[in-house]
Amino acid sequence: EAGVAQSPRYKIIEKRQSVAFWCNPISGHATLYWYQQILGQGPKLLIQFQNNGVVDDSQLPKDRFSAERLKGVDSTLKIQPAKLEDSAVYLCASSHRLGDYEQYFGPGTRLTVT
Amino acid sequence: AQKITQTQPGMFVQEKEAVTLDCTYDTSDPSYGLFWYKQPSSGEMIFLIYQGSYDQQNATEGRYSLNFQKARKSANLVISASQLGDSAMYFCAMREAADDGGATNKLIFGTGTLLAVQP
Repeated sequence: EAGVAQSPRYKIIEKRQSVAFWCNPISGHATLYWYQQILGQGPKLLIQFQNNGVVDDSQLPKDRFSAERLKGVDSTLKIQPAKLEDSAVYLCASSHRLGDYEQYFGPGTRLTVT
Repeated sequence: AQKITQTQPGMFVQEKEAVTLDCTYDTSDPSYGLFWYKQPSSGEMIFLIYQGSYDQQNATEGRYSLNFQKARKSANLVISASQLGDSAMYFCAMREAADDGGATNKLIFGTGTLLAVQP
């Protein structure tokens, strides 16, 4: 069974530029999560989807971050415009159902904003 | 507010020995779940073990066991017979309770412990 796929693995941009990350969850997984992991910290949930609907986006900085999962499968997270403090690893995870406790994580995208 | 505390930034252990990674949590909700994840240098988070707040017995998964002391609000991870491949960051996490008192899938993570296994 293929795991959670993410691309790109690394991205370097200048502040005020825009960037997009892509995630393809494990086949059949209805729930998808985006986490932000700043260096030296644990991951922080940004947004959670159940199929193509948003379950929780309370910690998503909506003035610059957006995410979509239009067909309920893969998802895109966008930052526009980026700030220096957005430098982090962005992790995507999926779980089979909303009630399942085990989340499967992708390798992450390391973003550096200069 | 719910919180996870990991007070050990780094730990060393000799190969084949056991090691305990500390985790304390704070919550006023009676229903919650506790998790341990491993994050190797490759970056992905690997699920290790889960303990529900109402589980009567400590969770075990192979060489991993969770020492759950509810009254002390601690959920320490014990790794027996350490292997070189166990060298990684280890995160303790808690599943947050929903507004209706049930559990959600939202995880709150600690700051992690970097484990180095020495040959």
